[in-house]
Amino acid sequence: AQSVTQLDSHVSVSEGTPVLLRCNYSSSYSPSLFWYVQHPNKGLQLLLKYTSAATLVKGINGFEAEFKKSETSFHLTKPSAHMSDAAEYFCVVIDPYNQGGKLIFGQGTELSVKP
Amino acid sequence: DTEVTQTPKHLVMGMTNKKSLKCEQHMGHRAMYWYKQKAKKPPELMFVYSYEKLSINESVPSRFSPECPNSSLLNLHLHALQPEDSALYLCASSRDLGYGYTFGSGTRLTVV
Repeated sequence: AQSVTQLDSHVSVSEGTPVLLRCNYSSSYSPSLFWYVQHPNKGLQLLLKYTSAATLVKGINGFEAEFKKSETSFHLTKPSAHMSDAAEYFCVVIDPYNQGGKLIFGQGTELSVKP
Repeated sequence: DTEVTQTPKHLVMGMTNKKSLKCEQHMGHRAMYWYKQKAKKPPELMFVYSYEKLSINESVPSRFSPECPNSSLLNLHLHALQPEDSALYLCASSRDLGYGYTFGSGTRLTVV
């Protein structure tokens, strides 16, 4: 069965400092992994996705994530945080061969950015 | 058009009312989904439609009734809801099952 663990429920950084949001996954197959961002009272926006091509994936708004099979990790990073990055972030795995392509969500990490 | 459009954005309804949520996409996606999201929680899958046929119902109470009239449109009919059904209802679509999703901005539902 697929599962996702986001290791921090809340991360706080200062504006201009690096961001690291941690995600570990469990998958029986070569997984497709995603990071979504949700601003307050908004829908989910896709930041980036890994689908077995390059292991370093670049997304929108300066975010990137590295797929590390040996560590079963897919951590999200950004070199310099901006106030507008404050939001909820979800790490997601999808198994196209099981559960009808259902998205498996992590519990979310709330990112706060201090001025 | 790369969006999923949901209407209305906000809805307040009484427990005896009947209302419907609407979701529309024009990306040619053949899979569409309804999710329910409570505050500070990840979205929970309710229904999956694939090629306009219901393929997954996650044991959702019958007071929620989905409908897929065509490949671009997905409705969620609501009847006799309870206050605990108050939540953000998200629609999503994908090219096919197993591909990444595009989410709408959601309908904020309050049951009074």
